[in-house]
Amino acid sequence: KAGVTQTPRYLIKTRGQQVTLSCSPISGHRSVSWYQQTPGQGLQFLFEYFSETQRNKGNFPGRFSGRQFSNSRSEMNVSTLELGDSALYLCASKISHSNYNEQFFGPGTRLTVL
Amino acid sequence: DQQVKQNSPSLSVQEGRISILNCDYTNSMFDYFLWYKKYPAEGPTFLISISSIKDKNEDGRFTVFLNKSAKHLSLHIVPSQPGDSAVYFCAASATKNNDMRFGAGTRLTVKP
Repeated sequence: KAGVTQTPRYLIKTRGQQVTLSCSPISGHRSVSWYQQTPGQGLQFLFEYFSETQRNKGNFPGRFSGRQFSNSRSEMNVSTLELGDSALYLCASKISHSNYNEQFFGPGTRLTVL
Repeated sequence: DQQVKQNSPSLSVQEGRISILNCDYTNSMFDYFLWYKKYPAEGPTFLISISSIKDKNEDGRFTVFLNKSAKHLSLHIVPSQPGDSAVYFCAASATKNNDMRFGAGTRLTVKP
């Protein structure tokens, strides 16, 4: 079974631009979550989508948005990029009936904002 | 708000010895706890988990202990191997469908 895939793996943007990141979950997984990882901050939860609906949301500004398609693939968009948005963005999927809420992560997209 | 805290950013142990990674949480509603391991340039991989109805879960060299009254959990790796060198994240959620809160991670280095 293929794992979670994320594209692109690396991205360089300048301040003020916008960016769209893509995530394809493991086949059969309907939940997709997004996280931001920065040094010293661990993984900060952005949002979770389940069956094309945002189910949970973290404490990020409205510049961060996402969506999920009928095939469970998800996209995350960041508008008006700021230097502080430079981070590793991780996507994770999980099966809806997992015993312990375990998620499976993709390799991440490394975003650098100049 | 850091609801899950890993107060040790790094830990170094000798090969063959025990590694103990600690995690504290503040939200008493958390019921599910997980540990993830992360190598550079890869996403975190699920390692071991425990629910609040248990106080210990073992899987090979890895054992997770949960102390609900102290809101503390720990991961024991014994014996430690150089391949265990990675960043370990502790995570918790209130229900199976709730979002997961992660700690900042502890970088474990196992020296040969």
